[in-house]
Amino acid sequence: GDSVTQMEGPVTLSEEAFLTINCTYTATGYPSLFWYVQYPGEGLQLLLKATKADDKGSNKGFEATYRKETTSFHLEKGSVQVSDSAVYFCARGRDDKIIFGKGTRLHILP
Amino acid sequence: SQTIHQWPATLVQPVGSPLSLECTVEGTSNPNLYWYRQAAGRGLQLLFYSVGIGQISSEVPQNLSASRPQDRQFILSSKKLLLSDSGFYLCAWSVAVNTGELFFGEGSRLTVL
Repeated sequence: GDSVTQMEGPVTLSEEAFLTINCTYTATGYPSLFWYVQYPGEGLQLLLKATKADDKGSNKGFEATYRKETTSFHLEKGSVQVSDSAVYFCARGRDDKIIFGKGTRLHILP
Repeated sequence: SQTIHQWPATLVQPVGSPLSLECTVEGTSNPNLYWYRQAAGRGLQLLFYSVGIGQISSEVPQNLSASRPQDRQFILSSKKLLLSDSGFYLCAWSVAVNTGELFFGEGSRLTVL
C-alpha cells in the first residue's frame, strides 16, 4: 500500500550546518507532499508543502522539491539554528487521507 | 477562525473498560476529520478518517472504532480496551487533502493498566 519512508534519527548537527532529511514515498497517482514539524511541547504544524511534480515548498529557510522521478521529497536547510531542534514528519496526501512517516528527531548543538 | 478541541487530555483506564475520546471543530463546515495515534518509533499512524457525517474509513484493523454523529464531531471508541491501546491520540481536520493542510487538536494521552 501507500507509504512514506524517512531517514531514522536522531540527527545531531552543529549550528550553521547543512541539513538534509530524506523522504521517499510510494503511491499510485500524484499525491500532495508535506513536511510537518513538532517543536518540543507543541503540536504538529505544517512546515511546507508541494502539490505537483517539480514544485518546491519553502518556509523558515527550509526547502523541499517534489521529485516524481525519484518519488522523493527531501527536506533541506542551508544553515540550521538551535531553534530548529524538533521532530520532522514527512507526509503524503491523496484521496482524502494523509499518511505520515515515522518522524526524524533533529538536535542542533550550539 | 477555526478551532479544534479534543478531550479528555489524559485518561487512565483499566484493561477491558470502554473508551470514548471526543473531538469537535468550530468555525468551518464539512471538514475532513482524522484520528491518528502517535507512538515512539512508529510515528503518526492513521486510524480513521471521515469525509462526511456517518462516513468512516478505517485504516488499521484493531480494537477501536470511530463515529461521526454530527458534521463537526468525531468520536473514537472502544468497547474493551487492551494494553496495546495505550498511546497519544490526535484528532485533526482539513478542508481538502490535496491542497490543504491538517490542523491538529491538543491530543489525548491514554494509559491502559
